[in-house]
Amino acid sequence: KAGVTQTPRYLIKTRGQQVTLSCSPISGHRSVSWYQQTPGQGLQFLFEYFSETQRNKGNFPGRFSGRQFSNSRSEMNVSTLELGDSALYLCASSLGAAENYGYTFGSGTRLTVV
Amino acid sequence: GQNIDQPTEMTATEGAIVQINCTYQTSGFNGLFWYQQHAGEAPTFLSYNVLDGLEEKGRFSSFLSRSKGYSYLLLKELQMKDSASYLCAVRGTGGTSYGKLTFGQGTILTVHP
Repeated sequence: KAGVTQTPRYLIKTRGQQVTLSCSPISGHRSVSWYQQTPGQGLQFLFEYFSETQRNKGNFPGRFSGRQFSNSRSEMNVSTLELGDSALYLCASSLGAAENYGYTFGSGTRLTVV
Repeated sequence: GQNIDQPTEMTATEGAIVQINCTYQTSGFNGLFWYQQHAGEAPTFLSYNVLDGLEEKGRFSSFLSRSKGYSYLLLKELQMKDSASYLCAVRGTGGTSYGKLTFGQGTILTVHP
């Protein structure tokens, strides 16, 4: 059974640019959550999608957005990149938030903004 | 809101037992997770507690006391490969909990020979 796949693994962008990250959940999982991980703040929740609908959103500025497709794959977009957006971006998939299961994380996308 | 505290660093000796504590304050509670994360890798699921008591899984055990807002992860027969960051995370209740885990800062465990 394939795990959670995130692409690309590494990305270097310049301040002011935008970036799109992709996440393919485990087959059959319909919930995809996104997290930002930095040394100072740890893992911070960005948003969650279920059946193409955003059900929950963390405390991040509107520059951070996402979407989910009918096959449950999800993308997140960050516009007008800032140096502080450098982080490891992780997505996690689950059957559904109401289920008694752990969330399975992908290996992440390491974004560096220069 | 939710607040989760765990020690920043711990060290232990190969073959020993170590207990990593986690305390939390939350407005709603629907489960506590422990994850292991090696440097540069994805967090991997270790355990889940939603009711009080001990959950055992091989060398790893996790305990929960909801009344005290307290959990611990117990690692037995430590191996060098157990050197990693251990993350405690809480899920809340209601609509604001969908897909959301609130994580502690993580405990970096170093296992020495």
